[in-house]
Amino acid sequence: GESVGLHLPTLSVQEGDNSIINCAYSNSASDYFIWYKQESGKGPQFIIDIRSNMDKRQGQRVTVLLNKTVKHLSLQIAATQPGDSAVYFCAENMDAGNMLTFGGGTRLMVKP
Amino acid sequence: GAVVSQHPSRVICKSGTSVKIECRSLDFQATTMFWYRQFPKQSLMLMATSNEGSKATYEQGVEKDKFLINHASLTLSTLTVTSAHPEDSSFYICSARSINTDTQYFGPGTRLTVL
Repeated sequence: GESVGLHLPTLSVQEGDNSIINCAYSNSASDYFIWYKQESGKGPQFIIDIRSNMDKRQGQRVTVLLNKTVKHLSLQIAATQPGDSAVYFCAENMDAGNMLTFGGGTRLMVKP
Repeated sequence: GAVVSQHPSRVICKSGTSVKIECRSLDFQATTMFWYRQFPKQSLMLMATSNEGSKATYEQGVEKDKFLINHASLTLSTLTVTSAHPEDSSFYICSARSINTDTQYFGPGTRLTVL
């Protein structure tokens, strides 16, 4: 079946460096994508979203890139901080704003 | 804005009892709420979609008689785990989607432990 998945289960970066978390999706009909951050024992926290009519969207220290040709989504975090350590999930919207399908998650570990 | 709360945050119960979890959208009206379950080191799995005033739509493999969902108002949905067993122990998370957005905002989750 079609799904959303991640290339790297764990990413370790040095504090201050930039982080890039990747996500592949297979449903070409998906038109809305979201990145969530989940800290241990907490619910997912919305980070940034992007629609399929865009290639790039920037937020505060974060940028999401969407490559529809290869069905790839990435989250870039600038100047990574210890507080960025968490599991990051990409989610794919498959039904006009309703059901989200989540990827497997990537754990980001920031080394001081 | 877009704050979703859950209550309780943690519950421990004996096998066979029922547990009710509340999900509230605090500063917006949620036409649709979603219930997820998350096992340790795994992703979120959608259990059911709840629309205000109508019956919930359950995902395949989720027993509707075991996981009772009520969405009586635009700001409150409840999930009741009936006759809970140890295998129901998990992290239950709700999300809410407002009328004007496709984004789902998540609650902080409820850790259920069934002894």
